[in-house]
Amino acid sequence: EIVMTQSPATLSVSPGERATLSCRASQSVSSNLAWYQQKPGQAPRLLIYGASTRATGIPARFSGSGSGTEFTLTISSLQSEDFAVYYCQQYNNWPTWTFGQGTKVEIK
Amino acid sequence: EVQLLESGGGLVQPGGSLRLSCAASGFTFSSYAMSWVRQAPGKGLEWVSAISGSGGSTYYADSVKGRFTISRDNSKNTLYLQMNSLRAEDTAVYYCAKGGVVVVIAIYFDYWGQGTLVTVSS
Repeated sequence: EIVMTQSPATLSVSPGERATLSCRASQSVSSNLAWYQQKPGQAPRLLIYGASTRATGIPARFSGSGSGTEFTLTISSLQSEDFAVYYCQQYNNWPTWTFGQGTKVEIK
Repeated sequence: EVQLLESGGGLVQPGGSLRLSCAASGFTFSSYAMSWVRQAPGKGLEWVSAISGSGGSTYYADSVKGRFTISRDNSKNTLYLQMNSLRAEDTAVYYCAKGGVVVVIAIYFDYWGQGTLVTVSS
């Protein structure tokens, strides 16, 4: 099973600042990597798929990069609505889909 | 507009059974693989099970294999998860999720339901 490891566990950022979240796979997942945002009491929302393609309606301040085993989600200028938990997910090694443990982005 | 609405959650004793449903609308249901993903209280996301658009292929996480059964009724645009021999560690919010590309099973999830809570406790 592919293990997805996210870092840091918690990221404290001021509004307007840049946030960089990391996700590492225990073996290559090519570009079959998605990022989701989850706010308290809500379902996850797809942000990025194919490692770097923004989902429909996702603002341009969200960007994804990487391939193989190392991936990054960047939020260029944090807005108040961006404070949430972010999960990466691989869908290369099916029929199992695995998620990282999440990174919480909190207000500094 | 894509909508996924789960139901069927509740409190059940260890060893008991429960069937979850997910009513889908706003897309051609039979063309997309569907999955169940769960989240234990205060924890991260765990994929549970997936099914192809036709229903002919099913997949399970090792943690639920032999106890849970995924199915779908394309005439009713509804996804199901039959959960048997429930354990305390199955306590979680269960989400249904839609595959992001027509026909493809090994894909990300582009829409999620609001979730239904399953609590396994005596």
